[in-house]
Amino acid sequence: DVKVTQSSRYLVKRTGEKVFLECVQDMDHENMFWYRQDPGLGLRLIYFSYDVKMKEKGDIPEGYSVSREKKERFSLILESASTNQTSMYLCASSSFGTAREKLFFGSGTQLSVL
Amino acid sequence: EDKVVQSPLSLVVHEGDTVTLNCSYEVTNFRSLLWYKQEKKAPTFLFMLTSSGIEKKSGRLSSILDKKELFSILNITATQTGDSAIYLCAVSNSGYALNFGKGTSLLVTP
Repeated sequence: DVKVTQSSRYLVKRTGEKVFLECVQDMDHENMFWYRQDPGLGLRLIYFSYDVKMKEKGDIPEGYSVSREKKERFSLILESASTNQTSMYLCASSSFGTAREKLFFGSGTQLSVL
Repeated sequence: EDKVVQSPLSLVVHEGDTVTLNCSYEVTNFRSLLWYKQEKKAPTFLFMLTSSGIEKKSGRLSSILDKKELFSILNITATQTGDSAIYLCAVSNSGYALNFGKGTSLLVTP
């Protein structure tokens, strides 16, 4: 069964901390994505990557960075966490080509920044 | 700017009812429209529609796309409590990422 695994389901951090959210997929997918989901705002794209070491900004990249050193792993980094980054973070992956729209999602990380 | 608008934002129905969820969009270089179901955390794929007027069906769920009028509907017949979820509509263009609507929260009561 295909799988996208996010390292933590729940995370509580302090303002100013550096936070790492990890995502691993076992489907050999080229594309990986980070979204955040907030009530009333839906899913918004933070960053995506279409290949190892490649990254593209999404709609709301400010305050975030990403790393993709291996094909199966895509990390989201909050350089200095702030309370407005409290949110549900969803990682997704998809294959290259005609099926690239079909995203497979992880179970999400609920991050609280205090 | 690309836009995906879902309606209604929330809905409460009784078991056995039929529901219709709506999704309208404005997007440059439209490629496809997708529906996802989100029960707890991970959205799961339901349908992908690329051609106008073709109905996609899976059991009690069906969806159709109107590329001329720029909308799609998701129908659920004979609803069950297990259909309670957030239903997400997303549109893809020539880029890599999906543009999501805010979702419709459906509650099916016994």
